[in-house]
Amino acid sequence: GENVEQHPSTLSVQEGDSAVIKCTYSDSASNYFPWYKQELGKRPQLIIDIRSNVGEKKDQRIAVTLNKTAKHFSLHITETQPEDSAVYFCAAGGAGGGNKLTFGTGTQLKVEL
Amino acid sequence: DAGVIQSPRHEVTEMGQEVTLRCKPISGHDYLFWYRQTMMRGLELLIYFNNNVPIDDSGMPEDRFSAKMPNASFSTLKIQPSEPRDSAVYFCATRRDSYNEQFFGPGTRLTVL
Repeated sequence: GENVEQHPSTLSVQEGDSAVIKCTYSDSASNYFPWYKQELGKRPQLIIDIRSNVGEKKDQRIAVTLNKTAKHFSLHITETQPEDSAVYFCAAGGAGGGNKLTFGTGTQLKVEL
Repeated sequence: DAGVIQSPRHEVTEMGQEVTLRCKPISGHDYLFWYRQTMMRGLELLIYFNNNVPIDDSGMPEDRFSAKMPNASFSTLKIQPSEPRDSAVYFCATRRDSYNEQFFGPGTRLTVL
């Protein structure tokens, strides 16, 4: 089955700096890669996703890049703000399994003033 | 749309008792997923349904866990008998057949004493 590894597990940045979170996956058939943000005590919510036919996608301060050859994808947050503090999860799926998602272990991002 | 609805939001029970968690999907969503979230194991997929039919239950940890989806508007996850190691947050998520995004419910925080 699919295996997703995520790094780092914790990340602390100063407000206004950029943050990068990286994930690798094992199943070359995976073709859908979402990123979820989970605030303390809340549900995971999709912030951006990318399909395997696209190398990069951007939405305001958030961007995701995908390297299918190397089987890794990354989340980039620019101009970080305190409200970006949360746990971020990457996931991979879509290999004919009803888009069953396998999640990474999460990154606790802290944006310090 | 009210989104995915889960009940109860919190459940405290004693070891050996039966626990039933409930989920109402977003209307028109064809897929329903049950996840368990713990600090140690992260977000784990337990089982998912497509058009009310269980497709993959390989994540169900033991025979003590069972899930049903009697119709398109309702699903249950049952634990019988419950054990302290079942303490976790259980999420239900749903999606449309033609879209990738999974929408999570607010979760049920289960504590087994």
